This record gives sequence, C-alpha cells and structure tokens, in this order.
Amino acid sequence: ETGVTQTPRHLVMGMTNKKSLKCEQHLGHNAMYWYKQSAKKPLELMFVYSLEERVENNSVPSRFSPECPNSSHLFLHLHTLQPEDSALYLCASSQATGYEQFFGPGTRLTVL
Amino acid sequence: GENVEQHPSTLSVQEGDSAVIKCTYSDSASNYFPWYKQELGKRPQLIIDIRSNVGEKKDQRIAVTLNKTAKHFSLHITETQPEDSAVYFCAASPGNDYKLSFGAGTTVTVRA
Repeated sequence: ETGVTQTPRHLVMGMTNKKSLKCEQHLGHNAMYWYKQSAKKPLELMFVYSLEERVENNSVPSRFSPECPNSSHLFLHLHTLQPEDSALYLCASSQATGYEQFFGPGTRLTVL
Repeated sequence: GENVEQHPSTLSVQEGDSAVIKCTYSDSASNYFPWYKQELGKRPQLIIDIRSNVGEKKDQRIAVTLNKTAKHFSLHITETQPEDSAVYFCAASPGNDYKLSFGAGTTVTVRA
C-alpha cells in the first residue's frame, strides 16, 4: 500500500456511539492533518501534527479527539457526535509544514 | 486569519475551450498558493502550485498566475478535455506554516 490510506471508508453511527477513524501514510512524511469536507463549503482544517506533536487545534469541539502515536499513524476518535458532523473526513500528510499535502481517500461519516 | 474566496462556484465549458478560476486572499503574508483537483468520489490531488517569488507557472495545459499586489491568483486550463471535469480548490498559506486556507471550490464541467 502506498500513499495515504484511511479506514473505514464509510461509517454510519448514532449520536451515542464511540468510533475511531484511522489514517496511515507510507510516504515518510513528518506532518499529518485532519480536514472536514462538507458540501458547498471550503475544506476545514481540524488538527495538525508535526513530528507527532499537535501544533494546531482549529477550534474543534471536544467530541473530536485526535491521536498521533507515531509519524505514520493518525487517529480521530469520535464520541457523542451530532448530525451536523456528517461529512467527508480527509487525512493528509506532508514532508514538512509548508509543503505539498497528500490526501487520503477520506471517510464518509453519517451521524444519525 | 486567512480568508480565501474563489469564483465562480460552477463553470461549464465546451470541450476545447479555456477555463479560468479566480481566487483572492486576505493575508499579505501568504506566499504559497496550491491548486487541488478533486474528481467525483476521489481525493484532492495537487495539480500545480506557485510561490510568491514568481508571477506565472505553466505545466502543459495548466497555468497559474499570481498578482501579489492585488492579492489574487488564477488557474487557467487551456484546450479543456472531458477528464478536466472535477472540483478545483485554490488555497493559500504563509508557506513556512502548516495552515492551508482553502477556497470553497469550483465545479468544472467540460461539455463534449
């Protein structure tokens, strides 16, 4: 597997569920990102990790909790989500901050 | 923070014609301007980028122009083909920073 991968590709969850999204990059990059993509809206940066340290939390509600155990893996833990959180969640990585970002295929999340 | 506006939101062109998408940004410190293409159901992919030390960059049928004084940059696609149909996103960043601020996207449809 090459590039940036994400699992699962589709997720349906109730508001009381707890789930996690996983991202893995095979590019040897040092920075990883979580974005939210909603219809007709710009890509919204959620979290940034550089060398496994969180460098940005873009005013994201606490029901989203990121985790970066190493430079190749990034998780997004979800709990007590709202229907408006339904969106495509994209992971990306880059060699370093300020360089081209490579995106994963995304997880299509539906909150019922 | 940076605010990127992108126009038009939709663009329909006849195959073989040119397409132009325009973006403006607010932060004069921004000096890195990538363009991403997202085909239906696929991940965003970088197609071209420009840094503020140049005014224009070309790659085959794609070109980007930058006017730092006016704080706007544009994507030009010549001799459009059906495979150019996609959503195109512009973005701006201080370059040495991790923050990419995206425009809302332009849906381009190339009519055969």
